[in-house]
Amino acid sequence: ETGVTQTPRHLVMGMTNKKSLKCEQHLGHNAMYWYKQSAKKPLELMFVYNFKEQTENNSVPSRFSPECPNSSHLFLHLHTLQPEDSALYLCASSRRGLAGAQNEQFFGPGTRLTVL
Amino acid sequence: QQQVKQSPQSLIVQKGGISIINCAYENTAFDYFPWYQQFPGKGPALLIAIRPDVSEKKEGRFTISFNKSAKQFSLHIMDSQPGDSATYFCAASMGETGANNLFFGTGTRLTVIP
Repeated sequence: ETGVTQTPRHLVMGMTNKKSLKCEQHLGHNAMYWYKQSAKKPLELMFVYNFKEQTENNSVPSRFSPECPNSSHLFLHLHTLQPEDSALYLCASSRRGLAGAQNEQFFGPGTRLTVL
Repeated sequence: QQQVKQSPQSLIVQKGGISIINCAYENTAFDYFPWYQQFPGKGPALLIAIRPDVSEKKEGRFTISFNKSAKQFSLHIMDSQPGDSATYFCAASMGETGANNLFFGTGTRLTVIP
């Protein structure tokens, strides 16, 4: 295991539902990330949290709302999603701020989301 | 605009053969080039990485070749095994303060036939 867990592993929701994805890291890292993985596309970085502060929001629609209550937990709140939002949502963590440190990100197994 | 371009999209190799995956980038500010390996049902995991001050890095059967002038880098898997069957992503990032944002390629699905 990578030390990054995600729940649930699979989620099916209607367009009017509200759900949340959860990520937890046990690596003592200080940065956490949400990615969207769709077939035949590069991993799309959605949000970055550095020391619990959001530092990046890559033009993600407001129907995706992240929350980072502490450096170990990250949530992605979902509401009024569209079918095209169906994808694998990956969480990752890393250690930031160390000059010259290897930029390794540790990924969780992902949540497979299907929007009906 | 896609920052890192990866090819081929899929690759089939016989057991014992050499698998080669290529990536190209435009931004000369990139200074870290990792390769990630992803098995079905798992998240990507770091396989091997290189910085532009060297032209080659080898770890076991996996080698990264880096051509700074051409802005290209590639992954070579020697003596490919069925257990290597996975999706491989190249990536790039910039900056000296560790763990900056990664820009990923589109991935290559490798199948090694026994």
